[in-house]
Amino acid sequence: DAGVTQSPTHLIKTRGQQVTLRCSPKSGHDTVSWYQQALGQGPQFIFQYYEEEERQRGNFPDRFSGHQYPNYSSELNVNALLLGDSALYLCASRTGLRNTGELFFGEGSRLTVL
Amino acid sequence: GNSVTQMEGPVTLSEEAFLTINCTYTATGYPSLFWYVQYPGEGLQLLLKATKADDKGSNKGFEATYRKETTSFHLEKGSVQVSDSAVYFCALRHNTDKLIFGTGTRLQVFP
Repeated sequence: DAGVTQSPTHLIKTRGQQVTLRCSPKSGHDTVSWYQQALGQGPQFIFQYYEEEERQRGNFPDRFSGHQYPNYSSELNVNALLLGDSALYLCASRTGLRNTGELFFGEGSRLTVL
Repeated sequence: GNSVTQMEGPVTLSEEAFLTINCTYTATGYPSLFWYVQYPGEGLQLLLKATKADDKGSNKGFEATYRKETTSFHLEKGSVQVSDSAVYFCALRHNTDKLIFGTGTRLQVFP
């Protein structure tokens, strides 16, 4: 049983470019959340998707957007990249919108903005 | 707003030493509290959790007790191993589905 898988694992972009990160949730999971983890910091919540809609959002600008597909996979898009967007981006999944069960995390996509 | 504060690392210990990593939180009401662990090159894994005051979460020899009176959820282990070397994150969840994490504490255990 595959866990949460993310791609790419590493990527390098330059300021002003756009990036798309992808996530496949754990089998049986339908709710996907994205977190940003800057170097030396704890993860910060970006947003959550359920039934192909954004359900909750953290304190991130509109440059950060997402999508969830009918197969529950998800994408995180970041436009007009800034140096400060360099971070590890984590995807997490669970079942149900208000399920109190365990949140499973992927290994992350490490983005470097030059 | 809600927040989590945990002790800065790195925490450096010899094998079989006693471990404490302090975590305090700020939140109204009764949040759920968590400890996550991040091993090198791996994603975050839930280590243990507690959902109400005086609950004790435990897993793999680690324990933490939800103390409402001191707003704390300190992580303890009686005898650490080299394989416990990782970054440990304290987190809370309250009224929404998002997790609020502390900054993490790196634990290094030497043989």
